[in-house]
Amino acid sequence: EDQVTQSPEALRLQEGESSSLNCSYTVSGLRGLFWYRQDPGKGPEFLFTLYSAGEEKEKERLKATLTKKESFLHITAPKPEDSATYLCAVQARDAGNNRKLIWGLGTSLGVNP
Amino acid sequence: SAVISQKPSRDICQRGTSLTIQCQVDSQVTMMFWYRQQPGQSLTLIATANQGSEATYESGFVIDKFPISRPNLTFSTLTVSNMSPEDSSIYLCSVETPLGLREQFFGPGTRLTVL
Repeated sequence: EDQVTQSPEALRLQEGESSSLNCSYTVSGLRGLFWYRQDPGKGPEFLFTLYSAGEEKEKERLKATLTKKESFLHITAPKPEDSATYLCAVQARDAGNNRKLIWGLGTSLGVNP
Repeated sequence: SAVISQKPSRDICQRGTSLTIQCQVDSQVTMMFWYRQQPGQSLTLIATANQGSEATYESGFVIDKFPISRPNLTFSTLTVSNMSPEDSSIYLCSVETPLGLREQFFGPGTRLTVL
């Protein structure tokens, strides 16, 4: 069964303290892995798409990497405004024309000033 | 990316009533989706809204409970029918842009509370 597991569930960092969030997945052939940020009371905001093992994407203090089993979202020198829930989702290759995404539960990140 | 708006942003409804949620996109899109996000749970796809044809529902969701309209390439509605407290949730509309690489962009969501 296709599945996405994110860890840790919650993480609290001091401003400037770098860390990584994990997204482990099992899927029958990966078409794409997606990272989103969600602030309270808002819809998810798209961050990155990764398609194949070894791929990396960067945006400001965030860097996403992908292996055959998991993805990491590295946060370098975080600021309080990086506090949010980070969601991971995958799309299976054998989904055909089905666009269904399989979602993790997210990691709630808090950054103290 | 696309700019997506939803109405209403929140509502409190009585058991047994129905609520229609609107989703408007600022550009034409092929794929539109409706999700539910309940506290402590991951996003759950309700259905894919197809323009000009019936929506495609995921397992556990039925048209009688969640009728969907898609009259054109920029607009869709989701109705939550005969509501019960278990329907209290955030409902999200998302789109996949025609030139995109399968990433989905989300609206701000509708927070529904059923008493």
